[in-house]
Amino acid sequence: GAGVSQSPSNKVTEKGKDVELRCDPISGHTALYWYRQSLGQGLEFLIYFQGNSAPDKSGLPSDRFSAERTGGSVSTLTIQRTQQEDSAVYLCASSLGVVGGGSPLHFGNGTRLTVT
Amino acid sequence: EDKVVQSPLSLVVHEGDTVTLNCSYEVTNFRSLLWYKQEKKAPTFLFMLTSSGIEKKSGRLSSILDKKELFSILNITATQTGDSAVYLCAVSSGGSNYKLTFGKGTLLTVNP
Repeated sequence: GAGVSQSPSNKVTEKGKDVELRCDPISGHTALYWYRQSLGQGLEFLIYFQGNSAPDKSGLPSDRFSAERTGGSVSTLTIQRTQQEDSAVYLCASSLGVVGGGSPLHFGNGTRLTVT
Repeated sequence: EDKVVQSPLSLVVHEGDTVTLNCSYEVTNFRSLLWYKQEKKAPTFLFMLTSSGIEKKSGRLSSILDKKELFSILNITATQTGDSAVYLCAVSSGGSNYKLTFGKGTLLTVNP
């Protein structure tokens, strides 16, 4: 597609349930990123993929969070046993190369997760 | 730890005004500074700045970087209601050349 696509756009779940968020990056973009945006906070880095590998998972807040990327394309972010503090907008972005090499990130519309 | 501070946090102006948004940073091995505009959903890319003193311009928006004083400004002239958005500043540093550190943003409201 023309841009980064995320689904679902909104997700309401009960505390303790697992959720899966999906990201379809721009075709040909090798780098993929997940960020989290909470109310009143800046975007918080979660994880970076280069191809199917995740060299940096340091931003994942706890071991309840995991992510994978397959075929160098689609990525899923999974949150197990959701907690209320997980409520946020989860943004996916992709870029042609790394941002430090001059490739800006292009963001999707995000998934707004609400844990009740 | 890398740090990006934006000011003001919010700003209300009238159509036609000129605004200046500020972004200061403290990072190790600076690589680039990026500006994004976020309306309801996806942040959209505006500018990437890597060199001091070179102005980037797109229509009524322009931005410049000062690597000595560690800040950037984003100017918007002849503001329109469609400029209302959160403007995000982010910095890429050499320690991890794939990670952006974001400021909290400036909420700009342009009233008719």
